[in-house]
Amino acid sequence: EDKVVQSPLSLVVHEGDTVTLNCSYEVTNFRSLLWYKQEKKAPTFLFMLTSSGIEKKSGRLSSILDKKELFSILNITATQTGDSAVYLCAVVWGGSQGNLIFGKGTKLSVKP
Amino acid sequence: KAGVTQTPRYLIKTRGQQVTLSCSPISGHRSVSWYQQTPGQGLQFLFEYFSETQRNKGNFPGRFSGRQFSNSRSEMNVSTLELGDSALYLCASSSTGKETQYFGPGTRLLVL
Repeated sequence: EDKVVQSPLSLVVHEGDTVTLNCSYEVTNFRSLLWYKQEKKAPTFLFMLTSSGIEKKSGRLSSILDKKELFSILNITATQTGDSAVYLCAVVWGGSQGNLIFGKGTKLSVKP
Repeated sequence: KAGVTQTPRYLIKTRGQQVTLSCSPISGHRSVSWYQQTPGQGLQFLFEYFSETQRNKGNFPGRFSGRQFSNSRSEMNVSTLELGDSALYLCASSSTGKETQYFGPGTRLLVL
C-alpha cells in the first residue's frame, strides 16, 4: 500500500532553534515530493523535489531528497514564531496528471 | 489571476442532512481535486475531476459525490451526514499536474 509517513508528529522548540522534519515514503512510480506549510487554512507550497541529493533552499528553509533511501528532510534554521504551522509532505506518483498522497503532517510550535 | 475560491467557508449541519460545497478553480485550470482534512487522518484524497469527468476516486463511501461543470467549477455533495464528516474540505486546481496544484481556503464543516 502506498504511504507517506512524517515524523515527528509534533514538535515544540524555542525561537532560534534549528529543526529537522522527516518524511519517508513508499509509492510505486514516484514522480516528485512536495513540502507544504499550513497555517489554519490552505496549504502553501514550499518545495518540489525530484532528484536525489540536490538541496532546495528558500531563506531559512531547505530540503533534500534521497530517492535510494526513500525519504526527505525539511530543515528550518533560526526558527521564528511565524514558523509555527503544520508542515505537510506529499508524494506525486503515477502517470498523466499524477496522484497525490499526503503524510499526516508535523505540527511545529515555536515558543518565544 | 484570482486564486481558487470555495464557498461557503463555514457550515454547520446536523446528522442525516446533506451538504453541497462549491469550488471555483483558477481560470484555465481544468483539473479540480477534493480533499478531506481531519486531525486524526490528515489530508485524504476524495476525488478528482477533469473536463467534467471523474478521473480518480479515493477510498470514501458513496455518500461522497461530486461533479464538474463545463466552466470547470466543481461541487461536492455529502449525503446523510455523520459526525465523522466534520472536517476541513479543501479543493485544489491544476493545469499541468499535481506538482502545480493550488489549494483553496477550504470549507470547514461541523456536523452536530
